[in-house]
Amino acid sequence: RKEVEQDPGPFNVPEGATVAFNCTYSNSASQSFFWYRQDCRKEPKLLMSVYSSGNEDGRFTAQLNRASQYISLLIRDSKLSDSATYLCVAEGDSGGSNYKLTFGKGTLLTVNP
Amino acid sequence: NAGVTQTPKFRILKIGQSMTLQCAQDMNHNYMYWYRQDPGMGLKLIYYSVGAGITDKGEVPNGYNVSRSTTEDFPLRLELAAPSQTSVYFCASKQAGTGELFFGEGSRLTVL
Repeated sequence: RKEVEQDPGPFNVPEGATVAFNCTYSNSASQSFFWYRQDCRKEPKLLMSVYSSGNEDGRFTAQLNRASQYISLLIRDSKLSDSATYLCVAEGDSGGSNYKLTFGKGTLLTVNP
Repeated sequence: NAGVTQTPKFRILKIGQSMTLQCAQDMNHNYMYWYRQDPGMGLKLIYYSVGAGITDKGEVPNGYNVSRSTTEDFPLRLELAAPSQTSVYFCASKQAGTGELFFGEGSRLTVL
């Protein structure tokens, strides 16, 4: 089983749509979780951290369910500029270290006019 | 701050050649990483370092070597380049205790 597994995508949605990405992680010792955004032929950049209580940043909402080892990202009122690959990331290993970050393969989103 | 700087941005190598990808960060971060990214595949960790003088293997270290003589620099060495090493290489750094990774712009390597 892959350590971090994401919806394979791609997702093609019209502007204004709501889109949700799902991610599961296999390492129950993982402590912190993140969503990164990667534009075509660019480096990944942090979109938002994911907290147990759920967190929101404008049109973006991230949720974490530790019992199910599941992470989600919801984008509301999608914009053309949201077109990118979204990477799910889990941090931490069974040794308690916080330096190992494991990336999912990413889910490509294209928002169409 | 320049952040994380990688050089070169592009390089074509012949099979069997060697080269070093340079990475430098000016944020005084303890942790540095080298990832490779193949089309349609996620980022795979090659090597990482938790501080000067300390390096460790990631998931795909074969064919690569690293060193960390200073906090700022973390070069990645490819010995005997092979076509399987054609990829985009990203260097990244983060501060201990924080989650945000800062990436360089990437180095596109082709081995023919």
